[in-house]
Amino acid sequence: GAVVSQHPSWVICKSGTSVKIECRSLDFQATTMFWYRQFPKQSLMLMATSNEGSKATYEQGVEKDKFLINHASLTLSTLTVTSAHPEDSSFYICSARQGAAFNSPLHFGNGTRLTVT
Amino acid sequence: AQSVTQLGSHVSVSEGALVLLRCNYSSSVPPYLFWYVQYPNQGLQLLLKYTSAATLVKGINGFEAEFKKSETSFHLTKPSAHMSDAAEYFCAVSGTGNQFYFGTGTSLTVIP
Repeated sequence: GAVVSQHPSWVICKSGTSVKIECRSLDFQATTMFWYRQFPKQSLMLMATSNEGSKATYEQGVEKDKFLINHASLTLSTLTVTSAHPEDSSFYICSARQGAAFNSPLHFGNGTRLTVT
Repeated sequence: AQSVTQLGSHVSVSEGALVLLRCNYSSSVPPYLFWYVQYPNQGLQLLLKYTSAATLVKGINGFEAEFKKSETSFHLTKPSAHMSDAAEYFCAVSGTGNQFYFGTGTSLTVIP
């Protein structure tokens, strides 16, 4: 159980275009999902917390107008990278918590490798 | 506030040798601690979690970790390394604000 599906697994786009990444919890409901960015050989950087039915909470330094997050249902959150530039190329990973308790682990999608040319 | 520190960004062991990956935590409240493994170009997979039920926690793939409050540690071990264990390992602590705080990761290399 507790499967998180992320799509696409990789995407190549041209500079200036927008890319949407989907994150779905397949067998549980997730009122909160998290979006991370990971640079090569580095740890995960939390970008934002996605809350179902309300606005996302962005971490300091993350441009909310560039990284649009929508959490329209209890099983789906999307991250849209708008007007992408080569510096946005990275590995993006979503996660969701099954249950609200602090001892509930995060379950991760398999990530999306974004390359902006 | 909660945080974790992973000592050693790279660890190399011979196949069949003991694996020891270190994690120390800082928490103002009883911590909930986790170990995750990440294979190349994949998301993170939960190895095990500590939630105060038992100090020695057994996880998947033969890994286990021991919670030591006196040392504020939660080191990950495996008695005998396998080639398939080569990956990136992250220690994490659950925060009161519904957030997770990850360590900087330890890359494990297994030498045949």
